[in-house]
Amino acid sequence: QQQVKQSPQSLIVQKGGIPIINCAYENTAFDYFPWYQQFPGKGPALLIAIRPDVSEKKEGRFTISFNKSAKQFSLHIMDSQPGDSATYFCAASTSSGTYKYIFGTGTRLKVLA
Amino acid sequence: GAVVSQHPSRVICKSGTSVKIECRSLDFQATTMFWYRQFPKQSLMLMATSNEGSKATYEQGVEKDKFLINHASLTLSTLTVTSAHPEDSSFYICSARRTGVRETQYFGPGTRLLVL
Repeated sequence: QQQVKQSPQSLIVQKGGIPIINCAYENTAFDYFPWYQQFPGKGPALLIAIRPDVSEKKEGRFTISFNKSAKQFSLHIMDSQPGDSATYFCAASTSSGTYKYIFGTGTRLKVLA
Repeated sequence: GAVVSQHPSRVICKSGTSVKIECRSLDFQATTMFWYRQFPKQSLMLMATSNEGSKATYEQGVEKDKFLINHASLTLSTLTVTSAHPEDSSFYICSARRTGVRETQYFGPGTRLLVL
């Protein structure tokens, strides 16, 4: 029940395409859902995050779609660029207690020039 | 804002020695810091949660006597890998939660540990 399932494991798109990465969770106590971007040998960087009271959030080229009833959320990258090639992790957390993150397994994205 | 640093970025040590890794929040106070371990092409595995002024809480399966955590101030947490062995070689990443700002964690750049 504590797991966050992420798919696909890897993804290749052409420059300008819109890669979509999906995550699903079971624990209805989760109420904070961030996405992180990680380049090889670096720490994860926060991209965007959403809470269950909204169904969509946009920041620049990154959009999170959230489906509370299905317990799913996804990341869309608009007009993807080769510089977006990285590993993306979704996570889930509660807004109380230890605030621990439960991370997804990661998606390796490659954007072709 | 919300910059987290780690030192060293890379360390090579001999088997049996101890290694200390520092995690600092540079421009904010962090009541809570987290330590993760990441193997190549895998996700981040939470090792422990560190709260300023109190004992760390370790995840199941993580040896607290092996991985000593000290959170002595609101801007500094340290992880000491004691009597390191080759199987401890990994990428160690810390994160910090800004005091009073609920859930968001800001991650450090990571420390690559290689034990020979």
